[in-house]
Amino acid sequence: GAGVSQSPSNKVTEKGKDVELRCDPISGHTALYWYRQRLGQGLEFLIYFQGNSAPDKSGLPSDRFSAERTGESVSTLTIQRTQQEDSAVYLCASSLEQGRNSPLHFGNGTRLTVT
Amino acid sequence: AQSVTQPDIHITVSEGASLELRCNYSYGATPYLFWYVQSPGQGLQLLLKYFSGDTLVQGIKGFEAEFKRSQSSFNLRKPSVHWSDAAEYFCAAGGSQGNLIFGKGTKLSVKP
Repeated sequence: GAGVSQSPSNKVTEKGKDVELRCDPISGHTALYWYRQRLGQGLEFLIYFQGNSAPDKSGLPSDRFSAERTGESVSTLTIQRTQQEDSAVYLCASSLEQGRNSPLHFGNGTRLTVT
Repeated sequence: AQSVTQPDIHITVSEGASLELRCNYSYGATPYLFWYVQSPGQGLQLLLKYFSGDTLVQGIKGFEAEFKRSQSSFNLRKPSVHWSDAAEYFCAAGGSQGNLIFGKGTKLSVKP
């Protein structure tokens, strides 16, 4: 079946603008994660959703970042008033269920460039 | 604090040579451990995972990794590297409630 799909694949925006990134998880996957990967860095956890539970937002770097998920489907990550330090690849991943026995399946990411 | 350390930022090996990528973790309990590979322009792909049991795990593409509790390590190995193995490799450990903590990655270059 289809993997995790992210759109757009690339986004260039001006400093101060808002951007919205989209993630379509694998059908049936209840857990969804957002990570950020800055150039030359590892993956930085941002937020995850598990079913109808309250999301774990502990990784969001500032209140300019927010994310929503509709049921167990699409998620959007919104960055308001973008700054140059927000430039990174934003990766979405989903897993069949939350927990240790469910490996994450990653999308190809959205490369965000803030000019 | 929970953390994953990959001491080598960049490694270059000759094609056909053996490979070992290091990973150390700091965790309060026995973690579950993963290795992912990220090829240029591609998403992360799971190579292998360790949950429990046999400490030597086999993965795809001829990779294996060994969990050593006494050394808090989960090093990735391959007996003979191919040019197509050039990529960035990430070690990850299971966080509480399923979240993964990633290392900063090791970039592998392969010389012909």
